[in-house]
Amino acid sequence: SAVISQKPSRDICQRGTSLTIQCQVDSQVTMMFWYRQQPGQSLTLIATANQGSEATYESGFVIDKFPISRPNLTFSTLTVSNMSPEDSSIYLCSVRGAGNTIYFGEGSWLTVV
Amino acid sequence: EDQVTQSPEALRLQEGESSSLNCSYTVSGLRGLFWYRQDPGKGPEFLFTLYSAGEEKEKERLKATLTKKESFLHITAPKPEDSATYLCAFANSNSGYALNFGKGTSLLVTP
Repeated sequence: SAVISQKPSRDICQRGTSLTIQCQVDSQVTMMFWYRQQPGQSLTLIATANQGSEATYESGFVIDKFPISRPNLTFSTLTVSNMSPEDSSIYLCSVRGAGNTIYFGEGSWLTVV
Repeated sequence: EDQVTQSPEALRLQEGESSSLNCSYTVSGLRGLFWYRQDPGKGPEFLFTLYSAGEEKEKERLKATLTKKESFLHITAPKPEDSATYLCAFANSNSGYALNFGKGTSLLVTP
């Protein structure tokens, strides 16, 4: 199985600021994804992080608001820009591991005040 | 449009009382149907992937089955530690392994 570490695990941020979330995997993986889970809701895909090229965003999510980097096969970052209280969510990193199993990190809990 | 619906939204069971959770899906080309368990404050924990109708997988008290329209997660003789939210998700043939999730079933098992 793939072990995924996310930082920070929790943060409280002021509106209008930006926060970068890091995702580190213990092995090389071909596919990495970022999801959002709003309070009491299920998971929604933000984007697929592509190594060496721009991320592929889902409808309703844009690069200016959620820039993503993926410099190598074990690391990715998601930035939440110009935050508002509506951005208060859990942000989850996910990877495709061996046997096409999809693993998730523990999430980064973000509260915007 | 591809979609997935889970029922019931919430389920309360007595310890030892077996039951099933339902995941109904409409997918143009199913790559895989995934089940996860999520505890409060945690990320989803992988349980099963099912690929084709008729497939079944088991793990301890859990058994997942798949038909062309539905998947069931059967819980046999549940214990309080099985209390969690159970999430169903699919990947379609056009999306790689990006998952579309249902809203989940919140399971509470009481002693």
